[in-house]
Amino acid sequence: GDSVTQMEGPVTLSEEAFLTINCTYTATGYPSLFWYVQYPGEGLQLLLKATKADDKGSNKGFEATYRKETTSFHLEKGSVQVSDSAVYFCALAAYSSASKIIFGSGTRLSIRP
Amino acid sequence: GAVVSQHPSRVICKSGTSVKIECRSLDFQATTMFWYRQFPKQSLMLMATSNEGSKATYEQGVEKDKFLINHASLTLSTLTVTSAHPEDSSFYICSARDLAQGQETQYFGPGTRLLVL
Repeated sequence: GDSVTQMEGPVTLSEEAFLTINCTYTATGYPSLFWYVQYPGEGLQLLLKATKADDKGSNKGFEATYRKETTSFHLEKGSVQVSDSAVYFCALAAYSSASKIIFGSGTRLSIRP
Repeated sequence: GAVVSQHPSRVICKSGTSVKIECRSLDFQATTMFWYRQFPKQSLMLMATSNEGSKATYEQGVEKDKFLINHASLTLSTLTVTSAHPEDSSFYICSARDLAQGQETQYFGPGTRLLVL
């Protein structure tokens, strides 16, 4: 079945460091890919998405590129801030699974001032 | 942007009682809503898909008689945890699909934290 695998956390970085959170997926067909963010005490928010191969999703300085050849959708940011501390979830939605969203396990990110 | 609300945000109840959680789409119509459960430091697990005007579709391993779902209107779905037990304590999150934004676009509610004593 469809699944998402993302790097385990927690990840701790200093402010202004470069961030990469790896995400790979398994799906039949061509799923849409997402990164969601959950700030402390809040609900999930869509951070960015990509719906087809080679698309790049971007928002708030974060980027992720849909790589069909490597079935990956790694999240990157060039210079993180303390306010980026949150849990990040990689996810996919595939028509083969009635567009249900399947989440990865989440990666907790902590940024030190 | 689209907003989904949940009520209550947190609830504490005694073992054996039933708890109802509401999920509302505030500025769009949602023919489909989803209910998730999230354990501490874990990912969201889909419990069921709620379709307006029809029976919910439950994921494997989810007891439909324990987690009653009603989607009576295009803006409201409810999840009732019946005869709650301490192991039902969890964070319950709903989402609503806005078809006008695409088949895969879902907006998430802020979640409801349930504690069963």
